[in-house]
Amino acid sequence: ETGVTQSPTHLIKTRGQQVTLRCSSQSGHNTVSWYQQALGQGPQFIFQYYREEENGRGNFPPRFSGLQFPNYSSELNVNALELDDSALYLCASSLEPDRSNTEAFFGQGTRLTVV
Amino acid sequence: GEDVEQSLFLSVREGDSSVINCTYTDSSSTYLYWYKQEPGAGLQLLTYIFSNMDMKQDQRLTVLLNKKDKHLSLRIADTQTGDSAIYFCAESIGRDDKIIFGKGTRLHILP
Repeated sequence: ETGVTQSPTHLIKTRGQQVTLRCSSQSGHNTVSWYQQALGQGPQFIFQYYREEENGRGNFPPRFSGLQFPNYSSELNVNALELDDSALYLCASSLEPDRSNTEAFFGQGTRLTVV
Repeated sequence: GEDVEQSLFLSVREGDSSVINCTYTDSSSTYLYWYKQEPGAGLQLLTYIFSNMDMKQDQRLTVLLNKKDKHLSLRIADTQTGDSAIYFCAESIGRDDKIIFGKGTRLHILP
């Protein structure tokens, strides 16, 4: 087990709704990255938060937003949900923005289904 | 462009070696990785190789990197039923902490 916990584990939402996913990073880690993994695909980088500020973003629209709190836990918010947002959302925590990515640990993910 | 490609399925008999192949397009990759994902689980970093290395061995795992051909492979010796999973090849391009993943190779172990 990595010490990275995500909640909820599963979620069903209706198209047009908003959703908030949560991630608690491993103790001592101040950096959280979020990934979207659609069925049959590899994970795609959404964004990263370091010390409560966005520190890099992938090719996702502004309706994907995030927050990081003083305890370094993080939220991923998605507004105006679309059917294609159905995916497994993974977060990964690391001690610092880790350019080697060899010390990033992944949570088990939140499975979001949009109907 | 940024693209990582790998075959989608591989079947191997228990006890044989598994070889999973991957090609990538970005020549500025700094690190290349192999991740393992079991059903209902997150991603586990199996091994990685720095782009100036040709080979890395770690117990049953051997990673080979051909930088000229932009080809990466993972060899699992003495494949066991517990190795059944999806294996993702990935690269880090170094400009930021973004990792580019392939679509994954599902490894099926035959008895």
